[in-house]
Amino acid sequence: ETGVTQTPRHLVMGMTNKKSLKCEQHLGHNAMYWYKQSAKKPLELMFVYSLEERVENNSVPSRFSPECPNSSHLFLHLHTLQPEDSALYLCASSETTGRGEKLFFGSGTQLSVL
Amino acid sequence: DQQVKQNSPSLSVQEGRISILNCDYTNSMFDYFLWYKKYPAEGPTFLISISSIKDKNEDGRFTVFLNKSAKHLSLHIVPSQPGDSAVYFCAASGGSGDKLTFGTGTRLAVRP
Repeated sequence: ETGVTQTPRHLVMGMTNKKSLKCEQHLGHNAMYWYKQSAKKPLELMFVYSLEERVENNSVPSRFSPECPNSSHLFLHLHTLQPEDSALYLCASSETTGRGEKLFFGSGTQLSVL
Repeated sequence: DQQVKQNSPSLSVQEGRISILNCDYTNSMFDYFLWYKKYPAEGPTFLISISSIKDKNEDGRFTVFLNKSAKHLSLHIVPSQPGDSAVYFCAASGGSGDKLTFGTGTRLAVRP
């Protein structure tokens, strides 16, 4: 148990659906992240939030929309996704966004887009 | 352009022997390196780190070595145990951004 909880664990959606991924951290951290892990590719940073403010958007398509209502919760809203968006989506948190901060990851949401 | 490379996608080692996982990087501005371990159906968990001011860091059975001139780091696990079977990710930070750059991972299998 890392203190970072993600739901759902698995999600299958059609290209016209709208769904949301949820992440909650119980570590008192100030920074939260969304990462994408595709097969045989490195983890790709998607979004970074520090104290509920988005500090980085790593050229992610607009069909992915993050929301951080408070420092403990992070959402990723999905709409009109493509099959190539199928991947493992990981949420992480850290005390700050400083250099080399240790990340604590959730178990991820395995997303399949049909 | 992959700045952090783990060229061995998999490694198989006998229980009790040493496991050596390798990682190469291209960005000379990286100055902090971390290893994460990932079991199936779980997120990565932090294992060990090293700053560029050191060339070795040890934590129990795990030791990370850094060779800055070669832009190479390695993770040694000794003795290897079946519970060490997982995917190991190398990550680096530094330079113009503070975000971590990850490698593609190496799957370690420790045979009983």
